[in-house]
Amino acid sequence: EMVLVESGGGVVQSGGSLRLSCAASGFSFTTNWMSWVRQAPGKGPEWVANVNRDETEKDYVDSVKGRFTISRDIGENSLYLQMNNLKPEDTAVYYCVRDYFYYLDVWGQGTTVTVSS
Amino acid sequence: QSALTQPPSASGSLGQSVTISCTGTITDIGAYKYVSWYQQRPGKAPKVLIYEGNKRPSGVPDRFSGSKSGNTASLTVSGLQAEDEADYYCSSYGGSHTYLFGTGTKVTV
Repeated sequence: EMVLVESGGGVVQSGGSLRLSCAASGFSFTTNWMSWVRQAPGKGPEWVANVNRDETEKDYVDSVKGRFTISRDIGENSLYLQMNNLKPEDTAVYYCVRDYFYYLDVWGQGTTVTVSS
Repeated sequence: QSALTQPPSASGSLGQSVTISCTGTITDIGAYKYVSWYQQRPGKAPKVLIYEGNKRPSGVPDRFSGSKSGNTASLTVSGLQAEDEADYYCSSYGGSHTYLFGTGTKVTV
């Protein structure tokens, strides 16, 4: 069974930082692109960032460029999202997702990030 | 990077069909075949129903079907069942390894 488990969410003040982690199992983590997708309360999902298998390509939604950094550790089967200079509009559930040939097919259960002003 | 446009709500009776539209632009839906649809129940993560416009992952009932014409994609749910009551989101590849999501449609059965 393909499973993604996120951790690292919490409450942080505006301007603060958080690092999200995602542990992958049940599939070949080394060969797949991986994404982070977030969903603000009462809103639809928003793709945030993705990374290819050897970290030579990383892409971000405009609103987080320069503040968020996606990375992965192949040896640990883990995906990360370093979030700096957080803003209240970053408040959301953050999902770790397998990025599989132009669609997002395996989702974690999500971790909640709340940024207070 | 604007969201794709979906109607906020749709409804149908048990056994009937409902179709949800998803409107984008020539740079996303109109440019690529990579439209996907997701079902989300309260408190749960989205689940993929359709990929590449009209393909179903293993385990998704054939009551769910997708299509695309120009800058608009559609999801049809046939033979509505009570369990189909959920939020539905479209998504399109936006080029340069980016994705756009729709505004979401709440389906009531």
